[in-house]
Amino acid sequence: GENVEQHPSTLSVQEGDSAVIKCTYSDSASNYFPWYKQELGKRPQLIIDIRSNVGEKKDQRIAVTLNKTAKHFSLHITETQPEDSAVYFCAAWDNNDMRFGAGTRLTVKP
Amino acid sequence: EAQVTQNPRYLITVTGKKLTVTCSQNMNHEYMSWYRQDPGLGLRQIYYSMNVEVTDKGDVPEGYKVSRKEKRNFPLILESPSPNQTSLYFCAIFSGGAYTFGSGTRLTVV
Repeated sequence: GENVEQHPSTLSVQEGDSAVIKCTYSDSASNYFPWYKQELGKRPQLIIDIRSNVGEKKDQRIAVTLNKTAKHFSLHITETQPEDSAVYFCAAWDNNDMRFGAGTRLTVKP
Repeated sequence: EAQVTQNPRYLITVTGKKLTVTCSQNMNHEYMSWYRQDPGLGLRQIYYSMNVEVTDKGDVPEGYKVSRKEKRNFPLILESPSPNQTSLYFCAIFSGGAYTFGSGTRLTVV
């Protein structure tokens, strides 16, 4: 089955700096890679996703890149703001189920 | 818009007392899933269901049961809860190419 690894587990940046979170997956059949943001006490919410036929996708300050050959994908947040502070999860879907990384706690210091 | 309703939001129970956490969706989606979330371990899948009367084990099914008698509902059953099942539980549906999570159920077993 699919195995998703996520790094780093914690990340602290200064407001305005960029943040990058990286994930690797094991199953080459995986074809959909979403990223979720979870604020304290709330449910995970989808923030951006990418499918296997696309190498990069951008939505305002966030972007995701996918390298199918190396089986890794990354989340990039530019011009970080304090409200970006949360736990971020990557995931991979292989047509049967969704596997999640262990999460990254991002702290943006004002 | 897809909605996932979980109940209860909070539950404290004693070891061995059977309990059910309910999950219902309003959009006739086929795929539903249960996860538990524990600090440092991310979201781990308990069971998932691809359709009515079709359920499969996830990564951590021990101590849990599910049923899918109708498309709308996917209850999680703990026949004999133990303290190691103290966790935050999320129901999720896969709709429109993305996961939508319920609000979560914080379960404490004493």
